[in-house]
Amino acid sequence: AQTVTQSQPEMSVQEAETVTLSCTYDTSESDYYLFWYKQPPSRQMILVIRQEAYKQQNATENRFSVNFQKAAKSFSLKISDSQLGDAAMYFCAYRLNNAGNMLTFGGGTRLMVKP
Amino acid sequence: DTEVTQTPKHLVMGMTNKKSLKCEQHMGHRAMYWYKQKAKKPPELMFVYSYEKLSINESVPSRFSPECPNSSLLNLHLHALQPEDSALYLCASRLGQANTGELFFGEGSRLTVL
Repeated sequence: AQTVTQSQPEMSVQEAETVTLSCTYDTSESDYYLFWYKQPPSRQMILVIRQEAYKQQNATENRFSVNFQKAAKSFSLKISDSQLGDAAMYFCAYRLNNAGNMLTFGGGTRLMVKP
Repeated sequence: DTEVTQTPKHLVMGMTNKKSLKCEQHMGHRAMYWYKQKAKKPPELMFVYSYEKLSINESVPSRFSPECPNSSLLNLHLHALQPEDSALYLCASRLGQANTGELFFGEGSRLTVL
């Protein structure tokens, strides 16, 4: 079974600074997707960034980028120029790329942004 | 339209009540999900419908009854719930079998069972 681990229950960052959230996962598969979802107090889960395992290049979306280390099964999220609106719960998630529909979440990291 | 719409946003019910949560999407997605989320915890998968057929039931108690009347709608019927069932219930959808795997989530229905 696949597992996703986020070892940092809480993180804080100063506004405009950079923060990195950690995620590791365990799988014996080679073809899968990894995601970072953001859940602000408004409750809606919003996709931040997506990485296909077969791609060596790290995904980037504006201020958000990942460091994908497939051999180490590590998938960290870097947020640059942090903004107050980045404060939220961040969930790392894994999905196998086959006919299955399972999305496995990590335990989440609460990010606080200090003005 | 890139939204998943859930109603109601808040629901308070007694243990003997019967109520339903509704979820709607018009993105043409053929996989729809119900998740349960407790405070400060990740979402836990309850049910998955794929092409309007129940494909995954994660051993959910029978007091939760899902229904997928058509490709755009997903219901969760609630009956004889317990206080520990109080949680945020999230609906999500995904395009289908062969795609990026991204789930689109609704804002959730916050359920309180008295």
